[in-house]
Formats: sequence, C-alpha cells, structure tokens
Amino acid sequence: DAGVIQSPRHEVTEMGQEVTLRCKPISGHNSLFWYRQTMMRGLELLIYFNNNVPIDDSGMPEDRFSAKMPNASFSTLKIQPSEPRDSAVYFCASSPSGQVMNTEAFFGQGTRLTVV
Amino acid sequence: DAKTTQPTSMDCAEGRAANLPCNHSTISGNEYVYWYRQIHSQGPQYIIHGLKNNETNEMASLIITEDRKSSTLILPHATLRDTAVYYCIVRVRSNSGYALNFGKGTSLLVTP
Repeated sequence: DAGVIQSPRHEVTEMGQEVTLRCKPISGHNSLFWYRQTMMRGLELLIYFNNNVPIDDSGMPEDRFSAKMPNASFSTLKIQPSEPRDSAVYFCASSPSGQVMNTEAFFGQGTRLTVV
Repeated sequence: DAKTTQPTSMDCAEGRAANLPCNHSTISGNEYVYWYRQIHSQGPQYIIHGLKNNETNEMASLIITEDRKSSTLILPHATLRDTAVYYCIVRVRSNSGYALNFGKGTSLLVTP
C-alpha cells in the first residue's frame, strides 16, 4: 500500500485565493483526520471523519475552512479566502476505525502551504 | 483526554538506550498510552501503544508503571535516524471519536 497520499506537497498562493488540499486515505480505513502544524501551535486537529461523515469539526479555525469527504477514498480541505496566517503544514491521517480504541493512525507526508 | 507531561528535550549517544519519560497522572482505566514520533519534515509515525502491560515491538518498548500514572518509551539502541520529536498521547473515547491530540512532545537528539 502506498500509504496516505496528499497533494500537492507544496503550495504557494496569494492572499485571498482559494486553496484546495487533497487526501487519499489508505484503502479500507474508515476514519480520516486533518491536522495543521505550525511552530507556534504545534499539531492541531482540524476535523475528523468516520465513514465519510464529519464527526468533530470543532478544530476548524473559522468559516473560511471547509472539508469534505465525498467517498471513502478521497477528502479535500478548502480554504477560501486564504490569509497569510493560514501558512502551515497540513497533514491528513487515516485509521482503520475511529471507534475502536486499539488502533493506530497513519499520516501522509503533508502539504506545506505558504500564503503570501 | 488525560493531560501528559514530557520533557522538552533530551540527548542520547548513538548506540545507547534512549529512555523517554511521560507523566499522565490523571489517566483513567480505559485510556491507552500511545507514542508517536515525527522526524523533521515528515508526518507523525506510530511507534507503540499500551494499556496496562509493558509492550515491545520492533521499534521500541513501552514500560507503564503499575499505577499507570507514568510511562517510559525505550529505544534500545538509538541511531542518528531516531532524532525526532516524540509524542506521548493518552487516547480516550469521547463523543467526537478517538482523534489523537498532540502536545509539545520531547525533542530527542541522538549524537554520534
């Protein structure tokens, strides 16, 4: 298995533009997580899906952020409009099941977003 | 989730055992202790987890005290490639599922 695949690996965009980050979880995994990492705040959970349904989006910073999971093999995180403070590394992770405690999560390589 | 406390940084000589401590004094009976690490510029990587008993796998050993209020991750023969930030996480069931909440972690530097 290729693991969790994120695209693009790097994204540079101008303030005000729409940004879409993509994630392909490991086949057969039921749970998908989006995290953001910055030097100041560390790794923050943004949103968590179980069986394609958003379970907890309390970590989403504001209405400019939205996430979707139209099917079990694809998820997007969209920022519209983007701002410089959104610059961070965004990680996607998947897990066999979010409802079973005794499981591990697998992370992608991340998307480094720079908003200028 | 129970709060965890880890030292900010540690050093270890290559070839020696690296012992990374974690305090989780408020852990409850159904909470697991997970360890992940993050090598620079990569996504976090699962290492090991446990509930009550000590655990060992090909990467590391996890020693959990009898009262479960603290644990130690042991890398038996540290290599330069083990230089990373190590996160101790206590994972609990909640209405929001089982998402991992990362703290600051311990930055481990393995030196030649």
